[in-house]
Amino acid sequence: GAGVSQSPSNKVTEKGKDVELRCDPISGHTALYWYRQSLGQGLEFLIYFQGNSAPDKSGLPSDRFSAERTGGSVSTLTIQRTQQEDSAVYLCASSFSSYGFDGGYTFGSGTRLTVV
Amino acid sequence: AQTVTQSQPEMSVQEAETVTLSCTYDTSENNYYLFWYKQPPSRQMILVIRQEAYKQQNATENRFSVNFQKAAKSFSLKISDSQLGDTAMYFCAFMKHVGGGATNKLIFGTGTLLAVQP
Repeated sequence: GAGVSQSPSNKVTEKGKDVELRCDPISGHTALYWYRQSLGQGLEFLIYFQGNSAPDKSGLPSDRFSAERTGGSVSTLTIQRTQQEDSAVYLCASSFSSYGFDGGYTFGSGTRLTVV
Repeated sequence: AQTVTQSQPEMSVQEAETVTLSCTYDTSENNYYLFWYKQPPSRQMILVIRQEAYKQQNATENRFSVNFQKAAKSFSLKISDSQLGDTAMYFCAFMKHVGGGATNKLIFGTGTLLAVQP
């Protein structure tokens, strides 16, 4: 596609429920990143996928968080047993290569998750 | 670990004036990259300008320029001739240069909310 697409745009869920957030990167982009943006905070790195390599999960805050990327394209971030502190905007970005130092990340518009 | 600090939570500037946003960072790395991203209300992060640490010359993109002081670990953004469309959240970000396919994750500051007043 022309840009990084994220769905849903907004999600309200009850505490304790599971949620799935979807990211559809730009076609051909091999690298995909998930970030979390909490109110008043910068962007917090969560997880990184590069081609067929094992993902870098070092930023996931707890074992309630998991992500997968199917066929090197679409990625799904799953949060189990949601808590109120999970409320944030979840941003996805993709890049043509692992060497994104040219600033060539393209970000989606994010999913605003609200846990009530 | 690398950290990025933006000490100005909010700033305001009159249309057509010049404004400077501050950013400092902490790293022991010698080879890295610095970025300024803009986030309008649409939430999408947009790259404004980038700087390679090995380059002494400050990067410039039209009305946007940076003052990169490597020894002081400072990376400020200057916006000239401010326009209403510049109103947004601005994030400073750091990326360590690595090889071998390791993560090139961006480390972000907490942002500066810039309001351009008519």
